Amino acid sequence: QKEVEQNSGPLSVPEGAIASLNCTYSDRGSQSFFWYRQYSGKSPELIMSIYSNGDKEDGRFTAQLNKASQYVSLLIRDSQPSDSATYLCAVRFYGNNRLAFGKGNQVVVIP
Amino acid sequence: SQTIHQWPATLVQPVGSPLSLECTVEGTSNPNLYWYRQAAGRGLQLLFYSVGIGQISSEVPQNLSASRPQDRQFILSSKKLLLSDSGFYLCAWSGGLFSGNTIYFGEGSWLTVV
Repeated sequence: QKEVEQNSGPLSVPEGAIASLNCTYSDRGSQSFFWYRQYSGKSPELIMSIYSNGDKEDGRFTAQLNKASQYVSLLIRDSQPSDSATYLCAVRFYGNNRLAFGKGNQVVVIP
Repeated sequence: SQTIHQWPATLVQPVGSPLSLECTVEGTSNPNLYWYRQAAGRGLQLLFYSVGIGQISSEVPQNLSASRPQDRQFILSSKKLLLSDSGFYLCAWSGGLFSGNTIYFGEGSWLTVV
């Protein structure tokens, strides 16, 4: 069964530090990868999408994709209290219109 | 720009009662539409998926059903709710395979079955 895994427990980081989140996926043919942020009680909102190997930067966020190793990561630089949320990794498996989501990683930024 | 709305935002329903959640998308045509459920500790679970009017794919067998009576309207229903149906229900849309297929979510509906 095709899966998306986010295994790390809650992540606590001090304000201004870098938060690093990892996600692995089982389908080697996957082409599209997404990171969503979800505040408590709210719906997920898209942070970044990435389709090619390497890094993609958008403001304080950097997504990193390594298809050979089947992982995608998200770095949050200069973490702010407003970054405290659950971050969901999503993968579109090959030949599929739907996204598969990981269970998410909770990030807590400590002022 | 595209927007997605779903309602009601919250509802408390007794076991055995019916359910109807509605979702509409504006600013796009022929979107792919989705219903997800998010239960505590279980992540996002895809319930239904639709590529067009009257075309519904069910991902998980359950007592829920979905309908798409119009191009930009998606409805989630149940004839008799179970306690296990409680959760956060999310409607979502995407623009299709060749648009990158990014999924965008509505505001969500909290359902508590008592």
